[in-house]
Amino acid sequence: LAKTTQPISMDSYEGQEVNITCSHNNIATNDYITWYQQFPSQGPRFIIQGYKTKVTNEVASLFIPADRKSSTLSLPRVSLSDTAVYYCLVVYSGGGADGLTFGKGTHLIIQP
Amino acid sequence: DTAVSQTPKYLVTQMGNDKSIKCEQNLGHDTMYWYKQDSKKFLKIMFSYNNKELIINETVPNRFSPKSPDKAHLNLHINSLELGDSAVYFCASSPGTEGTDTQYFGPGTRLTVL
Repeated sequence: LAKTTQPISMDSYEGQEVNITCSHNNIATNDYITWYQQFPSQGPRFIIQGYKTKVTNEVASLFIPADRKSSTLSLPRVSLSDTAVYYCLVVYSGGGADGLTFGKGTHLIIQP
Repeated sequence: DTAVSQTPKYLVTQMGNDKSIKCEQNLGHDTMYWYKQDSKKFLKIMFSYNNKELIINETVPNRFSPKSPDKAHLNLHINSLELGDSAVYFCASSPGTEGTDTQYFGPGTRLTVL
């Protein structure tokens, strides 16, 4: 079971790029890295998922180095509405309960 | 149209009571989940059903009993409520059982046991 470690909180300002790093030293061959976002009083929402190198969608980018022991979620030009908790998960592609426990996540606060 | 809905949104009850939380998804997904989020924001999987069949059953007191009448519904019944059951309960669904399947979460049910 790959465990993840991420900063408890981060602060940034509107218009800045924010990078949140997640460590997952015990990641296995068939594991994928997935990020979710949670706003207060709402359920988590999928942001992005990747296996290696770089993945980009309309919301974020995910950078994964060759050893896959860490990953970085990059949010370009953040706004106040990006204030939320961001969870990094390592999930086994075959499914199962492993990896379905969300940790404390990173509480990102964006200021004007 | 709400993709994953839960009722009620808030539930306040006394210790020892029995209560149910309902969940419905209109996404046509085969798999549904129940999660518990405690005051420290840990979100932990409790159960998962695929096509009405239980596939994940984590270490949860047997006072918690999920029921899936059809693949669009997964209800959670809790007997003999305890103070420690106070939390936010989230229902979620995904297309299948692959770990890489995106999960879609409901708005949560905040349960307070007095």
